Amino acid sequence: DAGVTQSPTHLIKTRGQQVTLRCSPISGHKSVSWYQQVLGQGPQFIFQYYEKEERGRGNFPDRFSARQFPNYSSELNVNALLLGDSALYLCASSLRGSTATEAFFGQGTRLTVV
Amino acid sequence: AQKVTQAQTEISVVEKEDVTLDCVYETRDTTYYLFWYKQPPSGELVFLIRRNSFDEQNEISGRYSWNFQKSTSSFNFTITASQVVDSAVYFCALSEWAGANSKLTFGKGITLSVRP
Repeated sequence: DAGVTQSPTHLIKTRGQQVTLRCSPISGHKSVSWYQQVLGQGPQFIFQYYEKEERGRGNFPDRFSARQFPNYSSELNVNALLLGDSALYLCASSLRGSTATEAFFGQGTRLTVV
Repeated sequence: AQKVTQAQTEISVVEKEDVTLDCVYETRDTTYYLFWYKQPPSGELVFLIRRNSFDEQNEISGRYSWNFQKSTSSFNFTITASQVVDSAVYFCALSEWAGANSKLTFGKGITLSVRP
């Protein structure tokens, strides 16, 4: 069975541009969460979606947005990129929206903003 | 607010040594989950263990064991007879019991290097 897949794996963007990152959860999983991991730090929660509805939002500016599609895949959009947005963006999928279910992570998208 | 502190930043051991990774957490919740994840160079976070706040029984799973003490808000993780393949960054994380979402709060991670 395929795990959590994220695309692209690497991305280089210029300040001020916009970027879209994609995530496909494990088959049967209905919840997707997004995390930002800056070099040398632990992942920080950005969003969670469950059954296409936003279930949680971390402390990130409105430049960050996300959505979940009927097939439970998800996109994370970041507008007006800043140098500080350079990070590894991780997607996690789980069966349900609560912590009672284990979260499985993808290998991430490494975004570099120059 | 929830917080996870991993005071150790880097640990280096020789293969076959035992190594303990420390984790201290803060939460106002009375029920919660604690996790350990491993992040190899490939970047993917690999789930290792999960405990709920009701269960302080310490267990051993293969070469892994953990020590959960609510009195000191600690959730330490031990690898017995370490191997080179154990080299990775290890994260401790905390989450609500079963809230509206499954947000994980991570520590800063501990880089473990196991030398042959």
